[in-house]
Parts: sequence; C-alpha cells; structure tokens
Amino acid sequence: RKEVEQDPGPFNVPEGATVAFNCTYSNSASQSFFWYRQDCRKEPKLLMSVYSSGNEDGRFTAQLNRASQYISLLIRDSKLSDSATYLCVAYSGSARQLTFGSGTQLTVLP
Amino acid sequence: DTEVTQTPKHLVMGMTNKKSLKCEQHMGHRAMYWYKQKAKKPPELMFVYSYEKLSINESVPSRFSPECPNSSLLNLHLHALQPEDSALYLCASSQEGRGQGVAFFGQGTRLTVV
Repeated sequence: RKEVEQDPGPFNVPEGATVAFNCTYSNSASQSFFWYRQDCRKEPKLLMSVYSSGNEDGRFTAQLNRASQYISLLIRDSKLSDSATYLCVAYSGSARQLTFGSGTQLTVLP
Repeated sequence: DTEVTQTPKHLVMGMTNKKSLKCEQHMGHRAMYWYKQKAKKPPELMFVYSYEKLSINESVPSRFSPECPNSSLLNLHLHALQPEDSALYLCASSQEGRGQGVAFFGQGTRLTVV
C-alpha cells in the first residue's frame, strides 16, 4: 500500500464547475499535509497547507481528518488556469521527508 | 527571494561521462533535497540534507553522489549513469522548525542519458 494515495483521475471538468480531490495517508506519524500543484513540465509549487480546522484560500478549500487519515481539496468555480496536476503531500518531521501522492490531473475545459 | 536555482536546465550525457547538477538557495533554509521525477509520476525522494549533513539516502545507487558544500548549495554528482536514469531532477529546500514541510522547488534539470 502506498503511503499517500490519491484519486487516479484524470478529471475533465467545464469552466465554472466545482471539483473535489481526495487523498488518504497511511503513516499516522505524518505531521503536516499539503497540496502542491504541478504544471506540465514545471516544478511542483505549494498550493496550500492543510489543517484539521479546514482552511480556505479564495476558491480553494482544504480539509484534514486525522481520525480517518483523509485529506481533501475542493476547487470552486474552476478556471482554465486551474488545469494542472494536484499532488497530495504528507510531511514527517522525524524523517524530514515529504511523501507525494501519485497526483491527480485536472483539465478545465472551455 | 523565494527562489531555488538549478543548473543546468537541460543535460545530455553519455553513460561514461561525469557531470554535476547544481542547486542554490538564499532563503536561509537548512534542509535541502534531491528528487527524481519520471514522466507522469510524482517526485521520488533521493537525498535529504539537514544542516549540511546527509540525513536520508533513499537507497540511491552510488552512481549518484550528493554533496552539500555549504548551507546555500547542493550538488549531485553523476557518474556512469544508465539510460533509465533519464528524468527530471528536482532540488528543493525548506525551513527547519516552523515551516517544515513547505518546500520550494527549483525548475529542475531535465537529464537525458544516451
């Protein structure tokens, strides 16, 4: 079993749609969680951190459920520019290690 | 300055060559990483340096040799690579303490081994 598992995708959605990505992690020692975004042939970039209380950044909402070891990302009012691969990431401080999920590809269609 | 700079951006090398990838950051981050990424796959951790000391080596073959000359620089020395080592090599850095896990990535070196 992979340490971080994501919806395989791909997701193809029309502009303006709401799309949700899910992720589960198996290492209960993981301390911090993040969503990274990676555009084609570019480097990953931090999209947002994920907290148990939930956090929102504009059209993006992330949520962490430690009991279920589950992370989510909700994108509202999708834009063409949201097309990218979204990577769920768990961080273990003791190992100083970021563990990436396999990524979910999103294409927003006009 | 929130930038991690990697050079070169592209590299083609033969299996008998020796080359080095370079990474530099001036954000005062004390953790630096090398990742390898194949097409349509997530980044795979290779090495972690913490305070200029190697803290993690994810069973990487010895033909990859990391080096951290100082807190701002990270190198990856390559020797006798195989065609299957062709990939995007990403360097990243992050803070220790508060901010751990928030990594800044360089643009990567796209390596082709022929």
